Amino acid sequence: QQPVQSPQAVILREGEDAVINCSSSKALYSVHWYRQKHGEAPVFLMILLKGGEQKGHEKISASFNEKKQQSSLYLTASQLSYSGTYFCGTELYNAGNMLTFGGGTRLMVKP
Amino acid sequence: ETGVTQTPRHLVMGMTNKKSLKCEQHLGHNAMYWYKQSAKKPLELMFVYNFKEQTENNSVPSRFSPECPNSSHLFLHLHTLQPEDSALYLCASSQGTGGGELFFGEGSRLTVL
Repeated sequence: QQPVQSPQAVILREGEDAVINCSSSKALYSVHWYRQKHGEAPVFLMILLKGGEQKGHEKISASFNEKKQQSSLYLTASQLSYSGTYFCGTELYNAGNMLTFGGGTRLMVKP
Repeated sequence: ETGVTQTPRHLVMGMTNKKSLKCEQHLGHNAMYWYKQSAKKPLELMFVYNFKEQTENNSVPSRFSPECPNSSHLFLHLHTLQPEDSALYLCASSQGTGGGELFFGEGSRLTVL
């Protein structure tokens, strides 16, 4: 069963912050985050393993709440280059790279 | 440039045609994947190959036939497709299938008439 992402779309002004959530009804081993710009390949952002780890990638960070089976992606002081569609991919316990992706969150950053 | 190259980038075919999509990775990875990305649908995993052996077939119809002659090349053979098979087909690779970053190609946009 695919994870549920929210919101489905968000529009920001440059410098504003955003949070994208990814929820699963099943116990997760890890959560992956990817960003895809229009007409381009999805690009890896980060992986979060069970244990509530929080990782960062420049001004983009994420957390993983194992108890809630939920991950959140935090984009702070957004830049125009952050625009794109963000996907979370969830891995069930020790399923390797058998990821199930959410429907995506379309982010648009305006000047 | 992600190190994963897909050809052709665009393909239009009739329902009775036979065509193939090609994927090549220059990253020295051992695992390769085919994903389907349809409009307004999540990325769907189709096939997984690890060291040239198919390890996953996600209930994909037989009109899609994958081939992995070596760890660097992956093909998706298409025959008697349906209009609903129109989508972006993405190839990805990773070091192994034990979890880790996926490197995606830019995809092959397929239109079935």
